[in-house]
Amino acid sequence: DAKTTQPNSMESNEEEPVHLPCNHSTISGTDYIHWYRQLPSQGPEYVIHGLTSNVNNRMASLAIAEDRKSSTLILHRATLRDAAVYYCILRSNAGNMLTFGGGTRLMVKP
Amino acid sequence: GAVVSQHPSRVICKSGTSVKIECRSLDFQATTMFWYRQFPKQSLMLMATSNEGSKATYEQGVEKDKFLINHASLTLSTLTVTSAHPEDSSFYICSARDSRAINEQFFGPGTRLTVL
Repeated sequence: DAKTTQPNSMESNEEEPVHLPCNHSTISGTDYIHWYRQLPSQGPEYVIHGLTSNVNNRMASLAIAEDRKSSTLILHRATLRDAAVYYCILRSNAGNMLTFGGGTRLMVKP
Repeated sequence: GAVVSQHPSRVICKSGTSVKIECRSLDFQATTMFWYRQFPKQSLMLMATSNEGSKATYEQGVEKDKFLINHASLTLSTLTVTSAHPEDSSFYICSARDSRAINEQFFGPGTRLTVL
């Protein structure tokens, strides 16, 4: 699977929007972009995924660049409970497993 | 979303003993389950992929005789850490893929193993 690059950490203030970037310049045409997050001492939690078009759900929005070489996870109003490690993962259509990179540790300040 | 459970959530054992960790998909059938390991401050590392009714596929560097995986039913996979040693202490996380929705993978809450 193609590799993703994310900043190691980011800080945000509570109730402000957060934009978490992810670069995936070697993405192939059949790769889906998945986002998961992991709260301390818990298993990862699905956030959102997309292929080409921007996606919205109750947790977040996913903005995908036109060339698909980058994407941004948007949390519209960060809360303290959103403090977690956010993983951007590519998975090919024919792929079977999720391969985790380093992720971005999001810290939310009250 | 779908629920995956793990049991136990925490286990402390003596060096040399074997520990079994169960992973269950509670409200869906999972023909494929995955086992990950996570050391402190590190990312998850895939250990093996298990398919119901067949042998697990192990990632490079993971000893299949040490980490025994059994996926005997569509809702249960077990990981047995045999002859555990302190370096096996880690957070073990299972994941299951819903047979009807291959783009979604659900994770269990993890099992913290401490080997004394």
